[in-house]
Order: sequence, then structure tokens, then C-alpha cells
Amino acid sequence: KQEVTQIPAALSVPEGENLVLNCSFTDSAIYNLQWFRQDPGKGLTSLLLIQSSQREQTSGRLNASLDKSSGRSTLYIAASQPGDSATYLCAVSNAGGTSYGKLTFGQGTILTVHP
Amino acid sequence: EAQVTQNPRYLITVTGKKLTVTCSQNMNHEYMSWYRQDPGLGLRQIYYSMNVEVTDKGDVPEGYKVSRKEKRNFPLILESPSPNQTSLYFCASRTSGFQETQYFGPGTRLLVL
Repeated sequence: KQEVTQIPAALSVPEGENLVLNCSFTDSAIYNLQWFRQDPGKGLTSLLLIQSSQREQTSGRLNASLDKSSGRSTLYIAASQPGDSATYLCAVSNAGGTSYGKLTFGQGTILTVHP
Repeated sequence: EAQVTQNPRYLITVTGKKLTVTCSQNMNHEYMSWYRQDPGLGLRQIYYSMNVEVTDKGDVPEGYKVSRKEKRNFPLILESPSPNQTSLYFCASRTSGFQETQYFGPGTRLLVL
């Protein structure tokens, strides 16, 4: 059964810092990995999607990497801003067994960027 | 605007009173899914549908029903809600391709007394 773990559970940084969020998964049979952002009481917004054949994706100040063989992904946020404060969720789309296409989520990293 | 909508957004009900949470998408997506989000447990899949009239159980289907009579709609039915179904519920949709991203609705916060 796929398990997704995110470290750290919470992170507080001053504005302007570069930071890294980590995600690991136990089963490398995946179609892709996604990073989502969730604001308090709101839905999920997809930030980046990395296909299993890709190594990284970039969008603005965000860069996500994927090492499928080791079951790891990182989300790098450059020059953090208070508006980046949110919960960041990692999810993998499973390719194995009867779980194909199903998303398995990590529990998230709560990010606070203070001015 | 491409979106997934859910109604109601907030609901307080009592144990045993049947309720339906609606979900609708305007992107002609084949795949739709329901999740619940609970503190410490993260997001877990309740049911999913690969297309019209095709539904299957996710990780936590007990106490829930779904139907998919039209491509755009995927309602979640709680026949006899219990307090342990108090949660934040999300509907999501994507195209049939497993490589594609899922689009999430804004969530429905349910409190069962």
C-alpha cells in the first residue's frame, strides 16, 4: 500500500528565505507526483505536476524535483513571501495494482512566512 | 471558467438525517472522485467514478453512497450520517488520462451532531 510522508510537518521562516519541503513515497510505481497548495478553509490548488519520466518542473519561484527510484520529491520555494503561507500537500498518482490512477496524499507541511 | 463546484459549502445536521452533497464540473471530465480530509489523517478517497454509471470504492467508503447518472455530476449521499462523518469533503475531477492533474472543488464542511 502506498504511503506518502511529508517533512517537516510545519515550518516558519522569515520573508525572503529560500526553503525546501520534502516528500517521500514507498511505492515507486507512480504515474506522476503533484504538489498542491491549500489555504485555510479552502480547496486545493495544483502547483506543479511532475510525470514519472520527468526529473523536475518549474513555475515562477517554485521548483519541484522527482527521484522516482528513491521515492523522493522536493519542492523548492525561492525568495519566500508572506503570501506563500499555506499548507503544501504532496500527492502521487499510483500506477500499481488495483490503485491505478488513485491519488495518495501526504499529510502536508504547514508553511508560515512572517514579514 | 473551468471549475468544480460543490453545494452546500457548510452543513450542520443531526445523526440519521439523510443528506446529499452535490458536485458538478464543467470540463467534460470522465473521472470524478470524493475525498474527506481529517486532522492527522490527511485526505482519503471515499469513492471514485471512471465514467457515467461506473463507480468504485476508495479507501473509506463505509457510510457513503454515490451515483453517476450524468457526466458532469457526482453527488455524495450520506443515508444515515453519524458524528464520525464530521469532516471536510472535497470533490475532484480530471480527464481519463492517469497522467493528468485533478481539479478540486472548494470543499464542504460537514458537522454531524
